[in-house]
Amino acid sequence: AQSVAQPEDQVNVAEGNPLTVKCTYSVSGNPYLFWYVQYPNRGLQFLLKYITGDNLVKGSYGFEAEFNKSQTSFHLKKPSALVSDSALYFCAVRAHSYDKVIFGPGTSLSVIP
Amino acid sequence: DAGVIQSPRHEVTEMGQEVTLRCKPISGHNSLFWYRQTMMRGLELLIYFNNNVPIDDSGMPEDRFSAKMPNASFSTLKIQPSEPRDSAVYFCASSLVGSLSNEQFFGPGTRLTVL
Repeated sequence: AQSVAQPEDQVNVAEGNPLTVKCTYSVSGNPYLFWYVQYPNRGLQFLLKYITGDNLVKGSYGFEAEFNKSQTSFHLKKPSALVSDSALYFCAVRAHSYDKVIFGPGTSLSVIP
Repeated sequence: DAGVIQSPRHEVTEMGQEVTLRCKPISGHNSLFWYRQTMMRGLELLIYFNNNVPIDDSGMPEDRFSAKMPNASFSTLKIQPSEPRDSAVYFCASSLVGSLSNEQFFGPGTRLTVL
């Protein structure tokens, strides 16, 4: 069965500091991995995805994520956080052979000025 | 492209009433998903369609919930009768399954309040 864990409900970081939002997954076979962001009163927006190839994936708004197969992780990172990055972040996984995407519980990121 | 369109954006109704939520997916997408989001339960997949056919409805909470997709450009999620515990934000999303660009695109959501 597929599953996604985001071990931190809340991440606080000072503006200008690097940020990391953690994600681990479980899936049979090779995964498709995604990060989405949700701003207040909005739908989820796609940030980036890993399909195959380079383990470091770059996405929107300066975010990047690193696929680590041995640790089954796909942590989201940004070198310098902005106050406007404050939002709810969801990691998601899909097996190559299956249509259904499983979303994690979400991590609330607060960037403190 | 206008993106995924949902209506209404807000719905307030009384317990026992029928509620119908509507979704227009992005043109050309062949999969459509209905989600429910609450503080307590997070984001839950209710049902998804592929080429207008329901593929997995295991997330539909009970028989009071039903969803249809009569054509590629329209879907409804109906709750009859509604209950206060159905209060949540309901999202519709669409994607193009079968290609590598298979991220989901979400609509703005319908905030449902059942009194």
